[in-house]
Amino acid sequence: AIQLTQSPSSLSASVGDRVIITCRASQAINSALAWYQQMPGKTPKLLIYDASTLESGVPSRFSGSGYGTDFTLTISSLQREDFATYYCQQFNDYLFTFGPGTTVDIK
Amino acid sequence: QITLKESGPTLVKPSQTLTLTCTFSGFSLSTRGVGVAWIRQPPGKALEWLALFYWDDDKRYSPSLKSRLTLTKDTSRNQVVLTMSNMDPVDTATYYCAHSGAYRSGLYRIANWGQGALVTVSS
Repeated sequence: AIQLTQSPSSLSASVGDRVIITCRASQAINSALAWYQQMPGKTPKLLIYDASTLESGVPSRFSGSGYGTDFTLTISSLQREDFATYYCQQFNDYLFTFGPGTTVDIK
Repeated sequence: QITLKESGPTLVKPSQTLTLTCTFSGFSLSTRGVGVAWIRQPPGKALEWLALFYWDDDKRYSPSLKSRLTLTKDTSRNQVVLTMSNMDPVDTATYYCAHSGAYRSGLYRIANWGQGALVTVSS
């Protein structure tokens, strides 16, 4: 089964900072990667799918890139409501896998 | 509008079988490119994908849990049922069902989630 790793596992940032989270797959998955945001006590929210396609209604400060095994989620200017945990997720052979998550908290 | 809701026991004993029902509306599981997924999240831990029931009756399971999981559906009631056997305290988690839709042929994403159901495994 394909495994996902994320780095960093956590980070502290300030409002207005540019934040980059990386996700690496154990084997190539083309662009079949999604990113989710989860606030404490809430259900996950889809931000990006197909590595770089922004889900409807998601602010444009979120962007995704990558192909094959290496992917990034970028938040161009961190807002207060963006402090949350972010998960990558891959889809291959009709199976999903989630990454371990990256927690973004306030510096 | 797509909605999903999980229902089932909040407490199960070790070694018992858990049965969770996902009742959904706003879509049909008979429609091409649609699926219902199950995901769980232990308290304070990461999300873990468990299984997915596809529109064509294909069912896929997490390799690490495949021997313990079974998916069934009741089309007339718009329900998908997940059973997990031999429950253990480490299976304590919030269990979510979710709508999965194809955005391109053979590629799926999960965009709509149920509220989740906390299941505790304890004697």
